[in-house]
Amino acid sequence: EVQLVESGGDLVQPGGSLRLSCAASGFIFSTYWMSWVRQAPGKGLEWVANIKQDGSEKHYVDSVKGRFIISRDNAKRSLYLQMSSLTVEDTAVYYCARARYEMLTGYYFENWGQGTLVTVSS
Amino acid sequence: SYELTQPPSVSVSPRQTARVTCSGDALPRQYVHWYQKKPGQAPVLVIYTDTKRASGIPERFSGSSSGTTATLTITGVQAEDEADYYCQSAESSGLSWVFGGGTKLTVL
Repeated sequence: EVQLVESGGDLVQPGGSLRLSCAASGFIFSTYWMSWVRQAPGKGLEWVANIKQDGSEKHYVDSVKGRFIISRDNAKRSLYLQMSSLTVEDTAVYYCARARYEMLTGYYFENWGQGTLVTVSS
Repeated sequence: SYELTQPPSVSVSPRQTARVTCSGDALPRQYVHWYQKKPGQAPVLVIYTDTKRASGIPERFSGSSSGTTATLTITGVQAEDEADYYCQSAESSGLSWVFGGGTKLTVL
């Protein structure tokens, strides 16, 4: 069974930093693209970032470019999101997602974790 | 930036058919995927690659796409289908991904 367990969410002041982690199990982690998706309170889903199997390719939504860094450790079966220069607009539940990315199928989020809450407030 | 447009809400009686639309300029060139989101729960993949039903999803869920509009259809809606539904696709470049604004499905 695919399991994705996020951790690291917390209350942080504007301008602060935070590192989210996602522990994966139940599948061969190193063979999948992985992503972070967030949902702000009362808002819709927003794709944040994704990373290729070997970490050689990364993509970010414009609003987090230069502030967030996605990374992975295949040996530890873990995905990370280093967030800096946080603003109140970054307040959201952050989901880790296993993705499928093939020319014949497009890019979609096949499995999701339960999410971790990041609150940016003074 | 690229946007996918969904109706904010759809209401339907039990056992009727619900249709949720998703519009975007790049849809003729990019696949659409659909997710169900209930409060306090993780999103669940419902339909991928325009028309394929995800594992464990009931047959009453189906997807289609034509031109710049994709449609999620739920035939014979049940009370448990009440949720927010999101479409998702990619920009024309294929290097940026976006969700629609979401549609709240209410079962009357």
